[in-house]
Amino acid sequence: GAGVSQTPSNKVTEKGKYVELRCDPISGHTALYWYRQSLGQGPEFLIYFQGTGAADDSGLPNDRFFAVRPEGSVSTLKIQRTERGDSAVYLCASSQSPTSGHTQYFGPGTRLTVL
Amino acid sequence: QQQVKQSPQSLIVQKGGISIINCAYENTAFDYFPWYQQFPGKGPALLIAIRPDVSEKKEGRFTISFNKSAKQFSLHIMDSQPGDSATYFCAAPTNRAPGANNLFFGTGTRLTVIP
Repeated sequence: GAGVSQTPSNKVTEKGKYVELRCDPISGHTALYWYRQSLGQGPEFLIYFQGTGAADDSGLPNDRFFAVRPEGSVSTLKIQRTERGDSAVYLCASSQSPTSGHTQYFGPGTRLTVL
Repeated sequence: QQQVKQSPQSLIVQKGGISIINCAYENTAFDYFPWYQQFPGKGPALLIAIRPDVSEKKEGRFTISFNKSAKQFSLHIMDSQPGDSATYFCAAPTNRAPGANNLFFGTGTRLTVIP
């Protein structure tokens, strides 16, 4: 595809359940980022991958959150024991290079609602 | 801790007018200052960006003014159009690793351009 794609577009789950959110970056982009956007706020950085490895996971709020990118392309953000406070839009972005100044292209996001 | 502080929170401008959104930062190590535009239900998209070695950058109707000594930068939208109605975010790189591209975002400005 031409842009970053994310699935599902919407996810409703119950408190305590496990969820997986998928990101398909632009082909050839080595850097991949996950952000979380709460209502009325700017995106907050969660984790960044360079290739297959998580180069910076300092934004993950706690150990219920983790992400993988096993083949250096598609990434999955995994949330265990979801809580109502996890409700937000989860955005994925990719860029050609991890170097500052390279444009990050965002996907449309996955809206997660935890009941 | 807000790394970039954005104002105003919302802005209403008449068609043809000038929209001005301001952003202030603390970290003098920041080396890249993008502005993102976000429409409802979409991910943010890069609008225009500037490096701190220039004081102004113009692309069409959009201009960034950068004041290094004051640690401020602003977005000017000339001849504002109803299609510009969106939320605008300023951002700066986290610099957790030198030259890294992870971004801090401001809290956003909701711009409404009335016909």
